[in-house]
Amino acid sequence: GESVGLHLPTLSVQEGDNSIINCAYSNSASDYFIWYKQESGKGPQFIIDIRSNMDKRQGQRVTVLLNKTVKHLSLQIAATQPGDSAVYFCAENMGSGTYKYIFGTGTRLKVLA
Amino acid sequence: GAGVSQSPSNKVTEKGKDVELRCDPISGHTALYWYRQSLGQGLEFLIYFQGNSAPDKSGLPSDRFSAERTGGSVSTLTIQRTQQEDSAVYLCASSLAGPSSGNTIYFGEGSWLTVV
Repeated sequence: GESVGLHLPTLSVQEGDNSIINCAYSNSASDYFIWYKQESGKGPQFIIDIRSNMDKRQGQRVTVLLNKTVKHLSLQIAATQPGDSAVYFCAENMGSGTYKYIFGTGTRLKVLA
Repeated sequence: GAGVSQSPSNKVTEKGKDVELRCDPISGHTALYWYRQSLGQGLEFLIYFQGNSAPDKSGLPSDRFSAERTGGSVSTLTIQRTQQEDSAVYLCASSLAGPSSGNTIYFGEGSWLTVV
């Protein structure tokens, strides 16, 4: 399949370094957020989520930070590996019991050997 | 099944032909979404099914697009008289329940449609 997001912002990181990918969300009422990883030719893969009553959540090698004051979400990847190369995008659930999500266009992460 | 399953994974069709894309959600998931992803673009909402409720079709771009969900499980997205601008990845996703905030949605691998 085609690669998606050929004109996306790109973050290049040296293998072994930490990566920080940012996302500005749009709706102050959004109360649930998800980070997805999308490799070329594949569907989006769930990485980690966070609810609005938290400001930090950790997974395996990944941490999500939420700053509701400035409507900002970040994904931190520790000890970045070549297999982390992909497009990463955030999703916000618009809250108030809605099933609707807004998705960012994403950031391409390139891991340099 | 273990994950959301979509077929075909790739489809090349001639302009003007009809296509059907199939989605088999995760077993037990009552909510099902269709999204479209064009090159360099974010995900565009198409349609949402939840149980036996009337689907939210507000995202369908034209009356050439329709979708069904039979028996509360498998869904089919149909595009009639395809146009070149329909070329995109069509992603299906499902979640355990809805509408409710906090229900994680899981995606399939997508159906890559090319209209020539």
